[in-house]
Amino acid sequence: GAVVSQHPSRVICKSGTSVKIECRSLDFQATTMFWYRQFPKQSLMLMATSNEGSKATYEQGVEKDKFLINHASLTLSTLTVTSAHPEDSSFYICSASPGRAHGYTFGSGTRLTVV
Amino acid sequence: AQTVTQSQPEMSVQEAETVTLSCTYDTSESDYYLFWYKQPPSRQMILVIRQEAYKQQNATENRFSVNFQKAAKSFSLKISDSQLGDAAMYFCAQTGANNLFFGTGTRLTVIP
Repeated sequence: GAVVSQHPSRVICKSGTSVKIECRSLDFQATTMFWYRQFPKQSLMLMATSNEGSKATYEQGVEKDKFLINHASLTLSTLTVTSAHPEDSSFYICSASPGRAHGYTFGSGTRLTVV
Repeated sequence: AQTVTQSQPEMSVQEAETVTLSCTYDTSESDYYLFWYKQPPSRQMILVIRQEAYKQQNATENRFSVNFQKAAKSFSLKISDSQLGDAAMYFCAQTGANNLFFGTGTRLTVIP
């Protein structure tokens, strides 16, 4: 089945630094990947849609300069949280699909803590 | 705009019993898919079951089945013979043009 790998699973960084999270589709090509943020005991909030070879599409209210997305190949999308602050601490999850009928596969998530 | 509503923030079920989780959605699309995802404490999102909107037959995966009422835009999940491992957050989701819209989730507790 479709597998999506996400790294790192946990990261702690200091305020003001940047953190990069990787999302890879292991056994299929993904022209589109999705980045979600999940607050404790809440649902997944779509942050942006990552498009291979072009600019990402950000949801309303998401700062594109803070959350940089790069989708340079058909199997890799990265999310960089720039100049991180404690309020950026959250659980970030990526997702991709080999086709809508197959459903969407999720990475295992990244717990970011900014201190 | 697509919306997915889960009206039950929490549900509980006795082990081996049956429980039904509710979900309603709203879409103007004619071709869409519906999903139930499970999120255990590990927070890994796991696909439980999928339903193609154009299929009238309700999807079934072992102990999991759905009641898909297209006219009513309802998509409930029935879990039969509940097991302790079924305890998790359950999210109903619907495809949009190119992504997924999630409901707010239902936390299921399984009582031994």
